[in-house]
Amino acid sequence: ETGVTQTPRHLVMGMTNKKSLKCEQHLGHNAMYWYKQSAKKPLELMFVYSLEERVENNSVPSRFSPECPNSSHLFLHLHTLQPEDSALYLCASSQSRPSNNYGYTFGSGTRLTVV
Amino acid sequence: GQSLEQPSEVTAVEGAIVQINCTYQTSGFYGLSWYQQHDGGAPTFLSYNALDGLEETGRFSSFLSRSDSYGYLLLQELQMKDSASYFCAVYNQGGKLIFGQGTELSVKP
Repeated sequence: ETGVTQTPRHLVMGMTNKKSLKCEQHLGHNAMYWYKQSAKKPLELMFVYSLEERVENNSVPSRFSPECPNSSHLFLHLHTLQPEDSALYLCASSQSRPSNNYGYTFGSGTRLTVV
Repeated sequence: GQSLEQPSEVTAVEGAIVQINCTYQTSGFYGLSWYQQHDGGAPTFLSYNALDGLEETGRFSSFLSRSDSYGYLLLQELQMKDSASYFCAVYNQGGKLIFGQGTELSVKP
């Protein structure tokens, strides 16, 4: 357990479904992130929330919709996804500035399969 | 644009030393980080270098040369459990973490 909890661990959804991924941290961090990890590709930064305000949206399609109701919780709402959206979705949290002692803390991810 | 280059895979034997190199090109640079990820697991933080030089943490060391846009991760006394993917990542302008493609390290007996 890393301190960042993601649910569900696995999700299979049809292209017409609507689902949500949940991320929770109680590390006292004030920034949270969504990353997408596809096979043989770098982790791709999707969204950044700092102090509950979205500060970055890396040209992510509108079928992905993030929500950060408070500094401990982050959601990723999914609707009308495509098969190429199948990937591991990782949530991370951090203090706003990096340091020598710690970086981002990642959750174990949600393995999403779109059928 | 932003890019990070690291070898796709490295193989070494138990007890050996291995170095994983990373070169980067980014808009703005605050520091270089390394993460380890075992199959099916969460990436875990290994190190962060903001200044030139070598940082040592147990069997792992990380090096940075800002003038060369280059860094490396050095793993000593390799153990089977070190078999994993290792990612270099740059903190760019705004403090966001941008990852390389990852190096898959296989440690053989």
